[in-house]
Amino acid sequence: DADVTQTPRNRITKTGKRIMLECSQTKGHDRMYWYRQDPGLGLRLIYYSFDVKDINKGEISDGYSVSRQAQAKFSLSLESAIPNQTALYFCATSDEGDGEKLFFGSGTQLSVL
Amino acid sequence: QKEVEQDPGPLSVPEGAIVSLNCTYSNSAFQYFMWYRQYSRKGPELLMYTYSSGNKEDGRFTAQVDKSSKYISLFIRDSQPSDSATYLCAMSFLSGTYKYIFGTGTRLKVLA
Repeated sequence: DADVTQTPRNRITKTGKRIMLECSQTKGHDRMYWYRQDPGLGLRLIYYSFDVKDINKGEISDGYSVSRQAQAKFSLSLESAIPNQTALYFCATSDEGDGEKLFFGSGTQLSVL
Repeated sequence: QKEVEQDPGPLSVPEGAIVSLNCTYSNSAFQYFMWYRQYSRKGPELLMYTYSSGNKEDGRFTAQVDKSSKYISLFIRDSQPSDSATYLCAMSFLSGTYKYIFGTGTRLKVLA
């Protein structure tokens, strides 16, 4: 079983629609992250959360919001999707006591038409 | 100038070759250095992890960090077709706010 599970794996949506990507983890980590990956740009941080009551913006948070529903759940929302949000999205976790090691889910391929 | 530079490749080598993958960086505050392997349509998987300078070996993989030159390397010995993937370097430090930067990745293909 995957330690970091993302749903859905693939999503096609239209411009202006609201969508939510979900992440759950069984690793028991407090820290959770959302990244997007684009060809030639690498992985960029959207939001991160160090515990249930902590939410922080990353380098590209505009157009996104997040919710940390529980230690194990961290969801990413696109309030009004636009085509340049087409990307591969990854959720990741880390443990404060384990250095800076990130553990990633399998990703969600999002296409905004 | 990007904080982390990585040659995108692709890099093609014959099976059994020694592979050298490299990244340069500009921020001397980085303390943690990682290499991730990413197969197509999968999430990055942590391969090697080094704190500060020095070498670390794990099986066929060796990670080197030269902080004076701001240069990190990953060596793969006896490369196998199963090593064909994209390799991402990453580095980080904690300084009040979270800072974790990835390279854009080098695509490696090992030919049988």
